[in-house]
Amino acid sequence: EVQLLESGGGLVQPGGSLRLSCAASGFTFSSYAISWVCQAPGKGLEWVSGISGSGGSTFYADSVKGRFTISRDNSKNTLYLQMNSLRAEDTAVYYCAKDRYSSGRAGAFDIWGQGTMVTVS
Amino acid sequence: QSVLTQPPSVSAAPGQKVTISCSGSSSNIGNNYVSWYQQLPGTAPKLLLYDNNKRPSGIPDRFSGSKSGTSATLGITGLQTGDEADYYCGTWDSSLSAGVFGGGTKLTVV
Repeated sequence: EVQLLESGGGLVQPGGSLRLSCAASGFTFSSYAISWVCQAPGKGLEWVSGISGSGGSTFYADSVKGRFTISRDNSKNTLYLQMNSLRAEDTAVYYCAKDRYSSGRAGAFDIWGQGTMVTVS
Repeated sequence: QSVLTQPPSVSAAPGQKVTISCSGSSSNIGNNYVSWYQQLPGTAPKLLLYDNNKRPSGIPDRFSGSKSGTSATLGITGLQTGDEADYYCGTWDSSLSAGVFGGGTKLTVV
């Protein structure tokens, strides 16, 4: 079964850090780009960051550039999001989402995790 | 303020058809493929359509997509109460080098 499982969310003070992980199974992890997408309580989807299948290309929303770092370990089938200098407005459910393509420039997310909650307060 | 513009809500009766619009610009919809997602309450989003109008396996043909210029449209026919959900369009923005979503449209089947 194709699956993504996020972990690492929790309560953190403003200015603090968290590292989210996304464990993948059921597909050839290195062949696909993966993104982080967040959703603040009661709000819509917001794309946060993406990384190509090889890990050679990374992309960020302006709102997180310089504060968040996306990475992946293809030997461990795991995606990461290092979140630093956290702000109250970063409070959201964070989903990892598998792209149908490898480049990271498509935004066609066919598999989503269940999400992990990040609360900055 | 989302880069892509969707109506906040639409409604229609069971069995009827509804369309949801998604408006963007040349840097996103105009030059990239559009995807559509369904999010049922309390669940993760689900891909309904990709590459403007392609359905993943398991998505019924009641769901269709089209694109013209800098706008895209999701169509749903034979509405069912189970279709009540939030619907999002998404694509890549070549100028921002970032993924972008619409603000979402809440579908009510009444």
